[in-house]
Amino acid sequence: GENVEQHPSTLSVQEGDSAVIKCTYSDSASNYFPWYKQELGKGPQLIIDIRSNVGEKKDQRIAVTLNKTAKHFSLHNTETQPEDSAVYFCAPVGSASKIIFGSGTRLSIRP
Amino acid sequence: GAVVSQHPSWVICKSGTSVKIECRSLDFQATTMFWYRQFPKQSLMLMATSNEGSKATYEQGVEKDKFLINHASLTLSTLTVTSAHPEDSSFYICSAREVDRGRYEQYFGPGTRLTVT
Repeated sequence: GENVEQHPSTLSVQEGDSAVIKCTYSDSASNYFPWYKQELGKGPQLIIDIRSNVGEKKDQRIAVTLNKTAKHFSLHNTETQPEDSAVYFCAPVGSASKIIFGSGTRLSIRP
Repeated sequence: GAVVSQHPSWVICKSGTSVKIECRSLDFQATTMFWYRQFPKQSLMLMATSNEGSKATYEQGVEKDKFLINHASLTLSTLTVTSAHPEDSSFYICSAREVDRGRYEQYFGPGTRLTVT
């Protein structure tokens, strides 16, 4: 099955600075790469995704980059805000068409 | 669009009783729904996948007789935790995938917090 690793597990950055979270996966057949944000006591919310035929996708302050050769994709937040504090999960979809969540990254934004 | 609801949002039950959690896709039809469990400060673990009108597929280690899943319509799936015990206390989250048009997006519900006393 798909093996997903996410780094770092915790990340604290100053407001306005950038944050990067990396996800590696094992299933070479994976073709859909979403990132989810989960706030305390709530379900995950899709914030950005990328498909295997695209290398980078941007949406305002966040972006996702994909390196299929190396089997990793990353979430980039270029100008963090206090409301970005949450837990972030990568969740690549592999050959079984199931979302397998990474271990999560707790992002804290310092004012 | 693409809203998934869960009911109840939280429930407390006594050990040995059963509890049912509902998951509904409000504005789309879902051929496939997924059930996850999340313990404090941990990731979401997939419990089972259910397709409308057929039996659910359970992940390894998940007891199918304990966690009964029914996906009777394209907008409703239910998870029943039978003979609940304190170790079943967790945050249960469902997600739904829209009728297949070559899309993989899953939309998640807000979760149900189960406490077994």
